[in-house]
Amino acid sequence: QQQVKQSPQSLIVQKGGISIINCAYENTAFDYFPWYQQFPGKGPALLIAIRPDVSEKKEGRFTISFNKSAKQFSLHIMDSQPGDSATYFCAASRASGSARQLTFGSGTQLTVLP
Amino acid sequence: GAVVSQHPSWVICKSGTSVKIECRSLDFQATTMFWYRQFPKQSLMLMATSNEGSKATYEQGVEKDKFLINHASLTLSTLTVTSAHPEDSSFYICSARQGASYGYTFGSGTRLTVV
Repeated sequence: QQQVKQSPQSLIVQKGGISIINCAYENTAFDYFPWYQQFPGKGPALLIAIRPDVSEKKEGRFTISFNKSAKQFSLHIMDSQPGDSATYFCAASRASGSARQLTFGSGTQLTVLP
Repeated sequence: GAVVSQHPSWVICKSGTSVKIECRSLDFQATTMFWYRQFPKQSLMLMATSNEGSKATYEQGVEKDKFLINHASLTLSTLTVTSAHPEDSSFYICSARQGASYGYTFGSGTRLTVV
């Protein structure tokens, strides 16, 4: 019930293309859905986040699409660049308790070819 | 923006010794800090959650006597790996929550190698 399923495991995109990563969740108590970018040997960095009362959020080249009824959300990276090559994690936070732990997806290794 | 400083970035220690990893929130008060472990090409695995001034809450399967967590102030949490063994070698990452907001800020991680 706490799982967040992420796909694909790896993704190769040409420079200038669109990268799409998908996540699905089961727990309807989740109310915060962030995406993180992680480079090798570094901690995750927040890219963009969405709450379930919004169906889409865009920040620069990054867009989250959220489908509450399907319990799915996705990250779209427009005009992908070689510098975007990294591992991307979706996550979800549940509203129970004071800790609000993040549950992470399994990660997607994105490679953008020059 | 919020910054979490984690030290050291990497550490090599001998089997049987203890290692302490520090996590500091530099410009905000972190009421809650989280400690994760990450194996190569895998996701982050939550080890424990700590609230300032309280005992940490450990996830199932995490040995609390091996991974000692202290959150004595609103800006500092430490993870001590006691009697480290090669199987404890991993990438450890802390995260701090900015009070009632939704934000989680991550440290830069610590690569622990036990030889």
